[in-house]
Amino acid sequence: EVQLLESGGGLVHPGGSLGLSCTASGFIFSNYAMTWVRQAPGKGLEWVSSIDGSGTGTYYAASVKGRFTISRDNSKNTLYLQMNSLRAEDTALYYCAKDTSNNGWFDPWGQGTLVTVSS
Amino acid sequence: DIQMTQSPSTLSASEGDRVTITCRASQTIRSWVAWYQQKPGKAPKFLIYKASSLGSGVPSRFSGSGSGTEFTLTISSLQPDDFATYYCQQYTSYPYTFGQGTKLEIK
Repeated sequence: EVQLLESGGGLVHPGGSLGLSCTASGFIFSNYAMTWVRQAPGKGLEWVSSIDGSGTGTYYAASVKGRFTISRDNSKNTLYLQMNSLRAEDTALYYCAKDTSNNGWFDPWGQGTLVTVSS
Repeated sequence: DIQMTQSPSTLSASEGDRVTITCRASQTIRSWVAWYQQKPGKAPKFLIYKASSLGSGVPSRFSGSGSGTEFTLTISSLQPDDFATYYCQQYTSYPYTFGQGTKLEIK
């Protein structure tokens, strides 16, 4: 069974940094692109960033480009999101998801980790 | 960026009803659309890819159609478990974008 488990969320001050992790199991991690999607409280889904299976190709939403860095460690079956210069509008539940066929749709999703940016 | 616009934003229906949700793209995206279901407090669940291909284990009462700029998700006979929020997503190019969601409520 494919499982994704996010961790690392918490409360951070504006301008601060936070690192998220997503540990994967149940599939050959290095064969699949992975993605972060976020959901602000009471709002819809927003794609944040994706990374290909090798880790060489990375993609970002304009809202986070230059502040967030996606990476992966295939030896540890772990996806990361380093978030710097955090803003109040980055407050959201952050989900990691497996790119099912390396084509751009996501299945499954983790349960999410909450990031709150507030003073 | 490609904008995805869903309608309606809220839909009230009864068990057994047939319902359709529409998603329009701001430019042609061929058939590169996925649909997801999300229940309160839960992660999204994948339903459909490539506009009309059902994900593994997804009930056959769900169907998708469309190409180009207009897409639909249809539930043929609503079951109690189907009351949720539904999102479309385009994956023709980065940045991937989602529709704003359609909340399916019990009438």
